[in-house]
Amino acid sequence: NAGVTQTPKFQVLKTGQSMTLQCAQDMNHNSMYWYRQDPGMGLRLIYYSASEGTTDKGEVPNGYNVSRLNKREFSLRLESAAPSQTSVYFCASRTGSGTSKNIQYFGAGTRLSVL
Amino acid sequence: RKEVEQDPGPFNVPEGATVAFNCTYSNSASQSFFWYRQDCRKEPKLLMSVYSSGNEDGRFTAQLNRASQYISLLIRDSKLSDSATYLCVVMHGSSNTGKLIFGQGTTLQVKP
Repeated sequence: NAGVTQTPKFQVLKTGQSMTLQCAQDMNHNSMYWYRQDPGMGLRLIYYSASEGTTDKGEVPNGYNVSRLNKREFSLRLESAAPSQTSVYFCASRTGSGTSKNIQYFGAGTRLSVL
Repeated sequence: RKEVEQDPGPFNVPEGATVAFNCTYSNSASQSFFWYRQDCRKEPKLLMSVYSSGNEDGRFTAQLNRASQYISLLIRDSKLSDSATYLCVVMHGSSNTGKLIFGQGTTLQVKP
């Protein structure tokens, strides 16, 4: 059971380059999330998708776009990377129903450096 | 002011010690509460949910005080393997659309 899978695990970009971070979950969860984690800042929500077909901004959406491709997949795109986007990015999912409805499960993270 | 506040520590304790972490949250509409654990350079994982009546899981005890908007985690008989960052997490919104808000974490280092 893979859970939440993120690719790539590591990435180095030059300022102005674009890239897409991929996330897939095999737990049939309804909700999916993208966070960034910076030292001293904790996890901050970038975008989330409460259900297939919907997306909403989180706390720090500027410079990012997302696509909920289907129930399994939720991608995060950086159109023009900036050094301020150097961070560790985590994808997470949550079922939203049943006894464990509020528990989020995280992917292993993507470590992104923008030079 | 952050919506969920924690003392970042680090807390350095000897093996076998009892240690307590506290967390405050600002949104009185918050509905669900959790402690997550994060090991160095790894993803966060659920440690335990926090209920109003308080709950215990082995050496770990969590308490919630809604009136004071305060959450605590008590670890008894600390082990070396307890060394990690502990994240206080609150949720507001419905089960379908709710978002989790994370504190910045409290770092625990258990020494031999």
